[in-house]
Amino acid sequence: QSVLTQPPSVSGAPGQRVTISCAGSSSNIGAGSDVNWYQQLPGTAPKLLIYGNINRPSGVPDRFSGSKSGTSASLAINGLQAEDEAEYYCQSYDSLTGLFVFGSGTTVTVL
Amino acid sequence: QIQLVQSGAEVKKPGASVKVSCEASGYIFTNYYMHWVRQAPGQGLEWMGMINPSGGSTSYAQRIQGRVTMTRDTSTRTVYMELSSLRSEDTAVYYCARVGTGGSRTEYFDYWGQGTLVTVSS
Repeated sequence: QSVLTQPPSVSGAPGQRVTISCAGSSSNIGAGSDVNWYQQLPGTAPKLLIYGNINRPSGVPDRFSGSKSGTSASLAINGLQAEDEAEYYCQSYDSLTGLFVFGSGTTVTVL
Repeated sequence: QIQLVQSGAEVKKPGASVKVSCEASGYIFTNYYMHWVRQAPGQGLEWMGMINPSGGSTSYAQRIQGRVTMTRDTSTRTVYMELSSLRSEDTAVYYCARVGTGGSRTEYFDYWGQGTLVTVSS
């Protein structure tokens, strides 16, 4: 069972906006740990999407945006495209366990 | 360009050990921590531990502490992850991942190896 909770799946039509939540606790996100997000296409390694809650690495489209509030964080995808179909993971640090922790993962489906 | 190239797939019997390598190129090897993350079939990502390539210090997830050893060879710019006393639950794809710098109070992984499938089966 993951320390960070994500919805198993979200879906949307092309062009729509979808959001993925990442619920943590007072020992990780709520303790001030930042949240990072990764995209994993089938059969490939994860790819960094968002770091430090809101920052995009170079090359990541600005359709992807992140936010953090309290003990949770969110990833938004604006203008959903077919190529966005993938698994998405949030990641943070848990001060209680001393572990780097990942969310349970969310499958994004483009209808 | 920055690359992390891992060793090939392995098949091991229960109780055996496996050693996976990750060769780095395109950056100053000793300037960036390296982490290991694994993913069981159809499952999520699990953090295993990290190594400082400069001094060799390590930190491991408690769940696998005692069975995992991470080392590095600065002459070949390679980090290694060895897992012993393998059990079926260790069947997974193992990734090395470099830590990025700046912009976050929490370490993030900006470059990943291609992954190494380790299958534990009798």
